[in-house]
Amino acid sequence: EVQLVESGGGLVQPGGSLRLSCAAAGFTFGNYWMSWVRQAPGKGLEWVANIKQDGSEKYYVDSVKGRFTISRDNAANSLNLQMNSLRAEDTAVYSCARVPYKKYGSGFDYWGQGTLVTVSS
Amino acid sequence: QSALTQPASVSGSPGQSITISCTGTNSDVGNYNLVSWYQQHPGKAPKVIIYEVNKRPSGVSNRFSGSKSGNTASLTISGLQAEDEADYHCSSYAGSSSFVIFGGGTKLTVL
Repeated sequence: EVQLVESGGGLVQPGGSLRLSCAAAGFTFGNYWMSWVRQAPGKGLEWVANIKQDGSEKYYVDSVKGRFTISRDNAANSLNLQMNSLRAEDTAVYSCARVPYKKYGSGFDYWGQGTLVTVSS
Repeated sequence: QSALTQPASVSGSPGQSITISCTGTNSDVGNYNLVSWYQQHPGKAPKVIIYEVNKRPSGVSNRFSGSKSGNTASLTISGLQAEDEADYHCSSYAGSSSFVIFGGGTKLTVL
């Protein structure tokens, strides 16, 4: 059974940093593109970042470029998101999601339940 | 890249059919057959119910169907059941730099 479990969320002040992690299980993690997707309170979903199987390609939504860094550790089956210079508008539930095998662009086939990040003074 | 446009809410009675629209542009929905639909119950992770416009993952009821015409994709749920009450999100591939964009989500109420 595919499992994605996020951790690391919490309350942080504007300008602060936070590192999110996603533990993957039940599939060969290193075979898949992985993404982070967020959902602000009362808002729709927003793709944040994704990373290729070997970490050689990374892409970000414009609003987080230069502030967020996605990374992965295939040996540990772990996906990470380092978030710096956090802003109030980054407040959201952050979920990791798996891109379907060999179907880049075809959405996401599994999601974690997410971890809440609140940016507030 | 702007979000896709979905109605904020739809409703229907048990046994009825409803359709949720998802409107984009010729840079996303209209340019790729890569529209997905997700069902999300409160406090739960989204679950894919339609991918590549009209394909259903294994285990998803055939009461769910998808289609696309031009820049608008649609999700139809037939034979509405109480358990279908949830939020529904559409998404589309939007090219390598934007990757995937989502709609604002539609809350389905089963009366």
